[in-house]
Amino acid sequence: KQEVTQIPAALSVPEGENLVLNCSFTDSAIYNLQWFRQDPGKGLTSLLLIQSSQREQTSGRLNASLDKSSGRSTLYIAASQPGDSATYLCAVRAAAGNKLTFGGGTRVLVKP
Amino acid sequence: GAVVSQHPSWVICKSGTSVKIECRSLDFQATTMFWYRQFPKQSLMLMATSNEGSKATYEQGVEKDKFLINHASLTLSTLTVTSAHPEDSSFYICSASSPMGTEAFFGQGTRLTVV
Repeated sequence: KQEVTQIPAALSVPEGENLVLNCSFTDSAIYNLQWFRQDPGKGLTSLLLIQSSQREQTSGRLNASLDKSSGRSTLYIAASQPGDSATYLCAVRAAAGNKLTFGGGTRVLVKP
Repeated sequence: GAVVSQHPSWVICKSGTSVKIECRSLDFQATTMFWYRQFPKQSLMLMATSNEGSKATYEQGVEKDKFLINHASLTLSTLTVTSAHPEDSSFYICSASSPMGTEAFFGQGTRLTVV
């Protein structure tokens, strides 16, 4: 059974500092991995999608890496801003069309 | 990205009544949709997989007679919480798979409060 873990569970940084969020999964046979952002009381917004054959994806200040063999993904957010404060969730998919298995999330607070 | 609309965004109901939540894919057809439940400060818990034209697949421990799922068209899935109790109060979120099944798009969520 796939298990996804996110460490740390919570993170507080001053504005401008880079953020590093970690995600690990126990079964390396994944189809792809997605990073999401969730604001309080809201749904999930997809940030980055990494296919199993890819090593990283970038979008603006966000960069996500994937090391499938070691079961790890890292989300980097450069030059953090107070608006980046949210919960970040990673999730893995075993095959196309299959359900996602989520990690517990990392709650991020960026202090002005 | 694709848009998934969930309605209502919040609802308050009395114990014993039923509540229906809708999940629509607005600009693509989704043969598969997923329903999740989320408790405060916790991650998403998958309740069931909704397949268009067939019965939903429920996760272990989820009562299928209490949480009725209907996926009658390629753009609409509904979750009905029957005979709601206060312990059913939670945040419910749906997602739809992209046509190739490679990416998930989520609705805005529904905050259900049973009084």
